[in-house]
Amino acid sequence: ELKVEQNPLFLSMQEGKNYTIYCNYSTTSDRLYWYRQDPGKSLESLFVLLSNGAVKQEGRLMASLDTKARLSTLHITAAVHDLSATYFCAVDYGGSQGNLIFGKGTKLSVKP
Amino acid sequence: EPEVTQTPSHQVTQMGQEVILRCVPISNHLYFYWYRQILGQKVEFLVSFYNNEISEKSEIFDDQFSVERPDGSNFTLKIRSTKLEDSAMYFCASTADTQYFGPGTRLTVL
Repeated sequence: ELKVEQNPLFLSMQEGKNYTIYCNYSTTSDRLYWYRQDPGKSLESLFVLLSNGAVKQEGRLMASLDTKARLSTLHITAAVHDLSATYFCAVDYGGSQGNLIFGKGTKLSVKP
Repeated sequence: EPEVTQTPSHQVTQMGQEVILRCVPISNHLYFYWYRQILGQKVEFLVSFYNNEISEKSEIFDDQFSVERPDGSNFTLKIRSTKLEDSAMYFCASTADTQYFGPGTRLTVL
């Protein structure tokens, strides 16, 4: 059974600081996704990581994937309040267009 | 930009009643999914659908659940006899390069 673990589950940061969210998964997978969810809202796709060593950046967020370690990271640089949200990683369960298994999410709160 | 749409946004029902949640996936996508999220918890996979049939389903997707693509655009999730524990947000998704999620339907079972 594929398990996806995120840590930390809660993260309170000050504006301007850097931090990393970790996502470990238990079995081989082709794709790893990062999503953002604001309270009461849907899931917004941030990144899709397809291969070992993949790194993608968008604004203050950078995601990377190490398939050998079964680890993905989401790095936040110089956090701002607008980044406050819950961040989920999700792993493709199987097949080229597979079903996603989600981590529990990391609730990020960025304080002034 | 194309998007996945869902109706209704909020459905309130009595325990034991049937509900149908509707989704319109992005038009050129071929794979469709339903997920649910109980309040404050993680998103859980329910079922995937391809070529007019279920391709995979989770343990949550028991005999009370069914999916259908009644026409070329809609994709529905039916819960035959709702239970209190079915209260959750239900998200539809469709896939091209990534899975695009709809805005969700909040189901409240009283």
